[in-house]
Amino acid sequence: QVQLVQSGAEVEKPGASVKVSCEASGYTLTNYFIHWVRQAPGQGLEWVGIINPSDGRTSYAQKFQGRVTMTRDVSASTVFMDLSSLRSEDTAVYYCARMQGPARDAFDLWGQGTMLTVSS
Amino acid sequence: EIVLTQSPGTLSLSPGERATLSCRASQSVSSSSLAWYQQKPGQAPRLLIYGASSRATGIPDRFSGSGSRTDFTLTISRLEPEDFAVYYCQQYGRSWTFGQGTKVEIK
Repeated sequence: QVQLVQSGAEVEKPGASVKVSCEASGYTLTNYFIHWVRQAPGQGLEWVGIINPSDGRTSYAQKFQGRVTMTRDVSASTVFMDLSSLRSEDTAVYYCARMQGPARDAFDLWGQGTMLTVSS
Repeated sequence: EIVLTQSPGTLSLSPGERATLSCRASQSVSSSSLAWYQQKPGQAPRLLIYGASSRATGIPDRFSGSGSRTDFTLTISRLEPEDFAVYYCQQYGRSWTFGQGTKVEIK
């Protein structure tokens, strides 16, 4: 079964860091780019960044530059998103999503989402 | 950054009616790099349309997309009960950005 399975919910304090994982199954991780998208409670979708699992190259939305790091472990078919210096505004569901084509394209497969709560 | 503005914010319709959702871009979207997603409460988004008018795998033909450059439309020809949800447009011609969403609710 082709799917992306994310790690469980996290609760962190302001200023802390969090690492969310996204494991691909049913297909070869390195054949598709992975994006991260977040959704604050009751709000819309916000693009965070992209990683090429084949070579590890990344590109981040300007808003998250300096605070986000995306990595991958090819042997585990898993990509990771690290977000540091957390603040309450980072409270959101974080999704990983597969880009369907080799160049700029839409997202055809999504993880189930990981809820991050930032609270003191 | 290309800003996408969706309208209306909420659409109140009955099952069987036609739904027309609009997505307007602040700049021309290259190569019709525009997608539509459906999201239901507690679920991840689902790809409906890409390339402005191509249906994703398994999407019923009551969903159709049209438009180019700065003006795009998602049409649901006859609403089924399972179609009541929030719909987002996304451009991927220059980076990736989403519209704020249109909620289709039961009248």
